[in-house]
Amino acid sequence: QKEVEQNSGPLSVPEGAIASLNCTYSDRVSQSFFWYRQYSGKSPELIMSIYSNGDKEDGRFTAQLNKASQYVSLLIRDSQPSDSATYLCAVNPAGGTSYGKLTFGQGTILTVHP
Amino acid sequence: GAVVSQHPSRVICKSGTSVKIECRSLDFQATTMFWYRQFPKQSLMLMATSNEGSKATYEQGVEKDKFLINHASLTLSTLTVTSAHPEDSSFYICSASKMTGTSNTDTQYFGPGTRLTVL
Repeated sequence: QKEVEQNSGPLSVPEGAIASLNCTYSDRVSQSFFWYRQYSGKSPELIMSIYSNGDKEDGRFTAQLNKASQYVSLLIRDSQPSDSATYLCAVNPAGGTSYGKLTFGQGTILTVHP
Repeated sequence: GAVVSQHPSRVICKSGTSVKIECRSLDFQATTMFWYRQFPKQSLMLMATSNEGSKATYEQGVEKDKFLINHASLTLSTLTVTSAHPEDSSFYICSASKMTGTSNTDTQYFGPGTRLTVL
């Protein structure tokens, strides 16, 4: 079983819709969770981090964490074609220590069509 | 901010030569930096963790004698691919964890990557 799992997609949504990206993880002691966006041929850029159960909102992005279900998601409201990218879920299995090593999912390809 | 740079952005070399890639945190100090490799249409693969002032920690299956890592300061880590071969052609990306006080946060900020092509 993979440590961090994402649906590889592609996920296709129309412009203006809500895109929902999901991620599950296997290590129950994980404490830190991250969403990165990666455009084709570019390196990942941080979108959001979340550490506590519940929702965290930043602009059009909302991260949701449910540690009991070992599930973290990212919602993108009012999706734009510029949001088309691969979204990587990352988990720190070490529980937020100074070591900081992350485990990445394989990424979900999102396509927003006009 | 949290800006990480890499140099060079792209390099083409002949088989058997060595290539050095630099990773710098421009506006923060990073005790720990990470080196990843990414093949087309695949996810990031962690190669090693670079710790300032100590030896790097390599992931299983990564040859430490082939991928030399030096973390000489709190803002610079280097990866040297020695005796490169065509199968080493890949996208190499570094990241850095931002220090807050005396310990790192666990947020990683990525450099723009270096695309290595070995002929």
